[in-house]
Amino acid sequence: NAGVTQTPKFQVLKTGQSMTLQCAQDMNHEYMSWYRQDPGMGLRLIHYSVGAGITDQGEVPNGYNVSRSTTEDFPLRLLSAAPSQTSVYFCASREDRNTEAFFGQGTRLTVV
Amino acid sequence: AQTVTQSQPEMSVQEAETVTLSCTYDTSESDYYLFWYKQPPSRQMILVIRQEAYKQQNATENRFSVNFQKAAKSFSLKISDSQLGDAAMYFCAYRSETGANNLFFGTGTRLTVIP
Repeated sequence: NAGVTQTPKFQVLKTGQSMTLQCAQDMNHEYMSWYRQDPGMGLRLIHYSVGAGITDQGEVPNGYNVSRSTTEDFPLRLLSAAPSQTSVYFCASREDRNTEAFFGQGTRLTVV
Repeated sequence: AQTVTQSQPEMSVQEAETVTLSCTYDTSESDYYLFWYKQPPSRQMILVIRQEAYKQQNATENRFSVNFQKAAKSFSLKISDSQLGDAAMYFCAYRSETGANNLFFGTGTRLTVIP
């Protein structure tokens, strides 16, 4: 059971480039979400999904897009990378609204 | 959005001793969940303990226990018999039972365990 898998684990981008952070879970969880972790600020919610075809914005959605075409996958797209998006990104999933969240191992993204 | 405050950026404890990490939160709701997550250097977020607000009894998981004071909106984590493997960042988190019920995190406390 792989749990929540994020790829890549590390990435360096140039300002203005676009890329997609991948997140996949094999637990048939309905709920998935993306967080970013910055020093001194904890984890902040970017986007979330409560099921295939349904997404919504979190606290810090600007500069990011998501889609949820399948239950398993929840990719996060950076449209035009900026140095302010340098962060560690976590994907999480949970079965339903009353259960615990499982986290991926994170992606460290550096934008230069 | 709910606010979760961890006022101790860093804490240290001697091995085998007990340490308490503090967390307060701000909410107008009566039903919610509270969590403590551990993040070791590997970066993995690991659930340590969970507390449902409707439960008066404090949650306990082996050496980890909480002191949940609902009226004071306080949720501290006590680690007993501290071990070197307990060294990590600890995050307090809140989740509402209503609406989108996503997690809101505090800024974390870095725990050092001294041999």
